[in-house]
Amino acid sequence: KQEVTQIPAALSVPEGENLVLNCSFTDSAIYNLQWFRQDPGKGLTSLLLIQSSQREQTSGRLNASLDKSSGRSTLYIAASQPGDSATYLCAVRGNTDKLIFGTGTRLQVFP
Amino acid sequence: EAGVAQSPRYKIIEKRQSVAFWCNPISGHATLYWYQQILGQGPKLLIQFQNNGVVDDSQLPKDRFSAERLKGVDSTLKIQPAKLEDSAVYLCASSLVRSQETQYFGPGTRLLVL
Repeated sequence: KQEVTQIPAALSVPEGENLVLNCSFTDSAIYNLQWFRQDPGKGLTSLLLIQSSQREQTSGRLNASLDKSSGRSTLYIAASQPGDSATYLCAVRGNTDKLIFGTGTRLQVFP
Repeated sequence: EAGVAQSPRYKIIEKRQSVAFWCNPISGHATLYWYQQILGQGPKLLIQFQNNGVVDDSQLPKDRFSAERLKGVDSTLKIQPAKLEDSAVYLCASSLVRSQETQYFGPGTRLLVL
């Protein structure tokens, strides 16, 4: 059974810092991995999707990497801003065609 | 392009009452998902539709939860009767096709069962 873990559970950093969010999964047989952002009271917004054959994806200040063999992904946020404050969720899709989510990392960036 | 619409946004009911949630996916999206997100946890898939057929409902508590997607567009999720542990945010998502496509999420319905 696929399990997804995210570390840390919460993170508070000053504006301008570069930071790394971690995601690990127990079953390496995945189709893809996706990082989402969730703002309070709102749904999820997809940030990056990495196919199993890819090693990383970039969008603006965000970079996500995938090491399928070790069951790990990282989301790198460069030059963090207060507007980045949100909960970040990673989710993996395996051969059951189902998205399995982690519990998220709650990020606060203060001015 | 309009996003995924959900209503109501908030609902408070007493235990043993019934409640229904509505979702309108993005136009043309064949696949529709209902997730349950309990506070402090990631979303958990309850049911997945492909057009108007059920693809996966393995985690749907069928003794109290039901869902339908008539005509392959809008969908409703019903809880009858509700329990305290059903308090959660219910998220609807849609994607163009199955599998490798990005899912687009609605704002969710926050349910509180007293």
